[in-house]
Amino acid sequence: DAGVTQSPTHLIKTRGQQVTLRCSPKSGHDTVSWYQQALGQGPQFIFQYYEEEERQRGNFPDRFSGHQFPNYSSELNVNALLLGDSALYLCASSLVGQNTEAFFGQGTRLTVV
Amino acid sequence: GNSVTQMEGPVTLSEEAFLTINCTYTATGYPSLFWYVQYPGEGLQLLLKATKADDKGSNKGFEATYRKETTSFHLEKGSVQVSDSAVYFCALTPNTGGFKTIFGAGTRLFVKA
Repeated sequence: DAGVTQSPTHLIKTRGQQVTLRCSPKSGHDTVSWYQQALGQGPQFIFQYYEEEERQRGNFPDRFSGHQFPNYSSELNVNALLLGDSALYLCASSLVGQNTEAFFGQGTRLTVV
Repeated sequence: GNSVTQMEGPVTLSEEAFLTINCTYTATGYPSLFWYVQYPGEGLQLLLKATKADDKGSNKGFEATYRKETTSFHLEKGSVQVSDSAVYFCALTPNTGGFKTIFGAGTRLFVKA
């Protein structure tokens, strides 16, 4: 079992550019959540996808968008990058339902210059 | 709203010392509570969880008890090892219609040989 895999592991982008991050969930999982972790802080919830739809969204601007595919994999897109978007982006997968354990990937380190 | 507050770090201990990392939460109803650990350069791993009041979660010598009366979920370990050096995050998932996991800011633990 490969667990949750994210790509790429590191990325450097220029302010104003757009970026796409990818996540493959753990085998058997159907729900994907995305988090932003700034340096020295806890992860902040961006949004969650289930059945190819956004199920809940955190306090992030519309520049942050996502998608879930029929195979449950997911993408996070960020437009018009700002310096403050530099962070570790974590993907977590789980089974639908509350109280279920979320498994995290190793994250994508995004640096905006 | 829902929130998690944990003690600030870093916490520095000698090997075999007793560890306590305090965590308190604010939430409506009865959330599920978690401790996650993050080793350098890695994503988050679930350490333990508790889903109802008075439950005790335990794993790898770590334990935490869900205290509804004090809204706390303190992490403890009787004898820490150098390999326990990491950042520890307390987190909750609300059971009132929300799906996101809310994290504390994290507590960095250094264990000296």
